[in-house]
Amino acid sequence: QQQVKQSPQSLIVQKGGISIINCAYENTAFDYFPWYQQFPGKGPALLIAIRPDVSEKKEGRFTISFNKSAKQFSLHIMDSQPGDSATYFCAASKEGNYGQNFVFGPGTRLSVLP
Amino acid sequence: ETGVTQSPTHLIKTRGQQVTLRCSSQSGHNTVSWYQQALGQGPQFIFQYYREEENGRGNFPPRFSGLQFPNYSSELNVNALELDDSALYLCASSYNVGANVLTFGAGSRLTVL
Repeated sequence: QQQVKQSPQSLIVQKGGISIINCAYENTAFDYFPWYQQFPGKGPALLIAIRPDVSEKKEGRFTISFNKSAKQFSLHIMDSQPGDSATYFCAASKEGNYGQNFVFGPGTRLSVLP
Repeated sequence: ETGVTQSPTHLIKTRGQQVTLRCSSQSGHNTVSWYQQALGQGPQFIFQYYREEENGRGNFPPRFSGLQFPNYSSELNVNALELDDSALYLCASSYNVGANVLTFGAGSRLTVL
């Protein structure tokens, strides 16, 4: 019940295209859903996050869509750029002690072709 | 403001040995969490330290232990190394124990032969 599933495992997109990564969770107690971006040789960095009281959050080219009833959320990268090539992790946590309760998906390796 | 720094960046050990990894938290952050990231996997929570005490642990055996110092820096110690301990060990700090934003370091890559 603590798992976060993520798909696809890898994704290749042309420059200017839309990248879509999907995640699903089981634990309905989760109340915070961040996406982290990791470049080779670096630690993950927070990209964007959402709480279940909203269905969508947009920051620049990055949008999270959230479906509470389906227990699914997704990351959309509009106008994908080669600089977006990285591994993306979705995660989930529940209020009370976020650092303790972060559960990460297995990651999606995104390659944006020039 | 400095970010999270970890040392060493890479190290190689043999099975049965012991290792100590170090982490300096971001300025202003008092909580440190450690994660293990196996190749091709997402980070897995090991434990968290707050006010120099362990404040939660994931599904890791007692041979994984840690410390937090008064300046909020932290150490991860692993005894009796096993081949499966080969991974990237990530330290993440946050400004408080209840904060929901983790700032990760670049990690320490441990290889156990």
